[in-house]
Amino acid sequence: QKEVEQNSGPLSVPEGAIASLNCTYSDRGSQSFFWYRQYSGKSPELIMSIYSNGDKEDGRFTAQLNKASQYVSLLIRDSQPSDSATYLCAVNRENRDDKIIFGKGTRLHILP
Amino acid sequence: DTEVTQTPKHLVMGMTNKKSLKCEQHMGHRAMYWYKQKAKKPPELMFVYSYEKLSINESVPSRFSPECPNSSLLNLHLHALQPEDSALYLCASSLGQLNSPLHFGNGTRLTVT
Repeated sequence: QKEVEQNSGPLSVPEGAIASLNCTYSDRGSQSFFWYRQYSGKSPELIMSIYSNGDKEDGRFTAQLNKASQYVSLLIRDSQPSDSATYLCAVNRENRDDKIIFGKGTRLHILP
Repeated sequence: DTEVTQTPKHLVMGMTNKKSLKCEQHMGHRAMYWYKQKAKKPPELMFVYSYEKLSINESVPSRFSPECPNSSLLNLHLHALQPEDSALYLCASSLGQLNSPLHFGNGTRLTVT
């Protein structure tokens, strides 16, 4: 089983709709969860971080964490063409604060 | 613009060359990272320095040699690389505490010929 799994996509969503991105992880000891956005040829940019079970909202973005089921998700409301990018899920590993591993990312395409 | 600065932005080197990648941050972060990213792949962790000490080496070949001269600077020395080492090399920093996110630089695009 891969450490951090994401559907590679592409996920195509109409403009204005909700985009839902999912991530599962294998290490039950993981405590820190991050979503990064990466445009082609650019470096990853932090979108959301979440550490407790439940939902965390920031503008159009909502992160959801369920540690019992070992999944974390990202919802993007009112999707815009500028949201088209690869979204990377990142998780800390082996009870280490400094070991952060990435999933392979989901390519999101917002259809105008 | 990011608060983590990487130089150079692009680097082309031959397999016999020696070169260095540089990274600098002034956010007071105590952990600094090197990741390697190939096209359409996720960033792959290479090295981590915590409080200026090497804390993680993910079994990286010895032709990559990291150095952390102080808490603000991180170097990656390159020697005798192979064409398959061509990639985007990303530097990142964090507070080095639980729940601290990574802040990435813009990366160095390395091509080995």
